[in-house]
Amino acid sequence: EPEVTQTPSHQVTQMGQEVILRCVPISNHLYFYWYRQILGQKVEFLVSFYNNEISEKSEIFDDQFSVERPDGSNFTLKIRSTKLEDSAMYFCASSQASNTGELFFGEGSRLTVL
Amino acid sequence: KNQVEQSPQSLIILEGKNCTLQCNYTVSPFSNLRWYKQDTGRGPVSLTIMTFSENTKSNGRYTATLDADTKQSSLHITASQLSDSASYICVVTVYNTDKLIFGTGTRLQVFP
Repeated sequence: EPEVTQTPSHQVTQMGQEVILRCVPISNHLYFYWYRQILGQKVEFLVSFYNNEISEKSEIFDDQFSVERPDGSNFTLKIRSTKLEDSAMYFCASSQASNTGELFFGEGSRLTVL
Repeated sequence: KNQVEQSPQSLIILEGKNCTLQCNYTVSPFSNLRWYKQDTGRGPVSLTIMTFSENTKSNGRYTATLDADTKQSSLHITASQLSDSASYICVVTVYNTDKLIFGTGTRLQVFP
């Protein structure tokens, strides 16, 4: 069964460092998303991406964050200068249709900022 | 403010028993409501998606209901199994956006 894959599964970094989280969405999906979940809290929407551009972003997704799809398969989330409060599980998701389509999540990348 | 509230926060049941989880939402405008299962440290897995016009949908032993008038949904699990132990998250999509509003989940533990 096709799945969304994410790497790394866990990354530990120093505050102020740049981090890139990688995702390979399901191959025939067109809509891509990043979500985050701080330990013990609810999942929060970060950004959606369609047709090689951001279609929507939340207030969490500030200038420290960026996304891109550098080739036909990878979808990346970059955090330019990490803060302690960026420590969370980051989930990538993809779907065939926006809004109404079933959303498939990856297993997540746990980011720990020291 | 768009919010999704779930109850109970946690639930313990014995294997083989049924249970019902509740979700109330204040999301507007509404597009659809989803239930996800999330194992600890894993990504959410979709169970059901319901639009405004659907009031019940089943997926195996999981049956979700939706009352769009009262803005309530429930997830009923029949004949629970040990593998049902997980968090169950109610998620509402805001109409005409990509934004999903997640509830905090109900943590279900099934004991033998």
